[in-house]
Amino acid sequence: DAKTTQPTSMDCAEGRAANLPCNHSTISGNEYVYWYRQIHSQGPQYIIHGLKNNETNEMASLIITEDRKSSTLILPHATLRDTAVYYCIVRVDTGNQFYFGTGTSLTVIP
Amino acid sequence: NAGVMQNPRHLVRRRGQEARLRCSPMKGHSHVYWYRQLPEEGLKFMVYLQKENIIDESGMPKERFSAEFPKEGPSILRIQQVVRGDSAAYFCASSPRGSGNEQFFGPGTRLTVL
Repeated sequence: DAKTTQPTSMDCAEGRAANLPCNHSTISGNEYVYWYRQIHSQGPQYIIHGLKNNETNEMASLIITEDRKSSTLILPHATLRDTAVYYCIVRVDTGNQFYFGTGTSLTVIP
Repeated sequence: NAGVMQNPRHLVRRRGQEARLRCSPMKGHSHVYWYRQLPEEGLKFMVYLQKENIIDESGMPKERFSAEFPKEGPSILRIQQVVRGDSAAYFCASSPRGSGNEQFFGPGTRLTVL
């Protein structure tokens, strides 16, 4: 599975959009981009995933660049409960496991 | 629809004792995964099981650790003769099908070895 690079930490004002970037320059054609988050001491929570097209669900939007070398997770209206570590993971469509790196620690500020 | 359940949530053992961690997958899910998270680190994959079968144990330590997912009942992660370095959070995840699907995680079991 390809490696991802994320900023170590970010801040975001409550009510504003949080844009979390991820670089995955070595991603291959059959690898999906997944996002999970881990709120302090809890199990990781699935957020969204995609292959080529942009995706949106009730939690977030995922924007994948045309060359697929990077992506951005967007939380449209961040709340204090969105404070968590966000993990960007790429995985082949036949993969068994997720490789969690160190992620981005997002702090939503009142 | 209940999520993935793990128990106990906290477990304290003395060095040399055995630890048994249990995981009940989401209803309708027959694939279970175990991960370990050491303090200040990301989750590390340990093992992937289906009912009565170990599919991928590439992340399991070679000694003292074992996992099972019987036909009936929860999946069990067993650690024999625990050492202080086994202190960690152990997370279980499940999916409705195997490879290529998102995994849904439980709340974890925090093991402390004294």
